[in-house]
Amino acid sequence: DADVTQTPRNRITKTGKRIMLECSQTKGHDRMYWYRQDPGLGLRLIYYSFDVKDINKGEISDGYSVSRQAQAKFSLSLESAIPNQTALYFCATSEGSGRLAGVYEQYFGPGTRLTVT
Amino acid sequence: AQKITQTQPGMFVQEKEAVTLDCTYDTSDPSYGLFWYKQPSSGEMIFLIYQGSYDQQNATEGRYSLNFQKARKSANLVISASQLGDSAMYFCAMRPNAGGTSYGKLTFGQGTILTVHP
Repeated sequence: DADVTQTPRNRITKTGKRIMLECSQTKGHDRMYWYRQDPGLGLRLIYYSFDVKDINKGEISDGYSVSRQAQAKFSLSLESAIPNQTALYFCATSEGSGRLAGVYEQYFGPGTRLTVT
Repeated sequence: AQKITQTQPGMFVQEKEAVTLDCTYDTSDPSYGLFWYKQPSSGEMIFLIYQGSYDQQNATEGRYSLNFQKARKSANLVISASQLGDSAMYFCAMRPNAGGTSYGKLTFGQGTILTVHP
């Protein structure tokens, strides 16, 4: 089984709808991240969490919210989806406890392809 | 703030040949890490190699090596003996390794599409 899973894998929704993307991990990592990928722009960080009680905005958090329900679960919500939120969304995890930085690589989920019409 | 630049939108290489993918970066952090990820057409992100800013030697992982030139702020990925399965998008990324508001966060470049010809 995959260490980092994302559901759904593909989703088409209409403008104005609320949608939640879910991420679960079995790696036991404290840190979790949400990114979006647009063509030609690489990946950009939306939100990140260093533990259940430590959630931070990334560079493009407007229009998104997150919930860290448990160490293993980190959900991303679009409260009112708009077409320019059409993108590939990745969840990632890495080791490290609290605010101690390290050299740990990030492990990515398979991605969720979201289309807002 | 960190910035990663990959100036090659696309690269072509013949099977079994070596290829270098360019990456330059800009940061004011004294300690940082540089990463390369591979993204095949299926979409997943696969970690390839890591280089720490204070590492004395260039990192190597199998057919992958990282040509790290700190003074030039470059971290080029070298793939030796290219295989058809190496055809993919490649991303360079950087993360500060010290404390501060930006630590722990990866900044990605725009990516380079590599095509390996038989």
